[in-house]
Amino acid sequence: GENVEQHPSTLSVQEGDSAVIKCTYSDSASNYFPWYKQELGKRPQLIIDIRSNVGEKKDQRIAVTLNKTAKHFSLHITETQPEDSAVYFCAATLGGNKLTFGGGTRVLVKP
Amino acid sequence: GAVVSQHPSWVICKSGTSVKIECRSLDFQATTMFWYRQFPKQSLMLMATSNEGSKATYEQGVEKDKFLINHASLTLSTLTVTSAHPEDSSFYICSAREGFYNSPLHFGNGTRLTVT
Repeated sequence: GENVEQHPSTLSVQEGDSAVIKCTYSDSASNYFPWYKQELGKRPQLIIDIRSNVGEKKDQRIAVTLNKTAKHFSLHITETQPEDSAVYFCAATLGGNKLTFGGGTRVLVKP
Repeated sequence: GAVVSQHPSWVICKSGTSVKIECRSLDFQATTMFWYRQFPKQSLMLMATSNEGSKATYEQGVEKDKFLINHASLTLSTLTVTSAHPEDSSFYICSAREGFYNSPLHFGNGTRLTVT
């Protein structure tokens, strides 16, 4: 089955700086890679996703890059704000169906 | 946007009793729903895939007789934790895909189960 590794597990940044979270996946057949943001006690919210036929996608302050050869993808948050503080999960879909999640990154943006 | 409703949001039960959690897709039909479990400060672990009109597919290590899943309609899946024990205390989250393969997965609000 698919295995997704996520780093770092915690990330502390100063407000206004950038945050980068990296994930690797094991199965080269995986073709859909969403990122979720989860605040304490709440549901995960989809913030951006990328499909395997695209190398990069951007939505305002959030961007995701995908390197299929190396089997890794990254989330970039620019101009971080305190409300960006949360746990972020990457995920990968194998066979277009179930998602396998990374271990999560706890992001703290210090004002 | 696609909305997934989960009920109850929290429940406390005594050891040995059963608890049913409902997951509904409110504005779309979901032939497949997914049930996840999340322990504190950990990731989401897939428990089972719920298929409308057929048996659920359980992940390795998940007891199908303990976690009963029923997906009787295109908008409702239920998870019943039978003979609950304190170690079953966790955050259970359902999710549904609004389209076909590789479409976004939307999550319910989750159910925090505490077994005393």
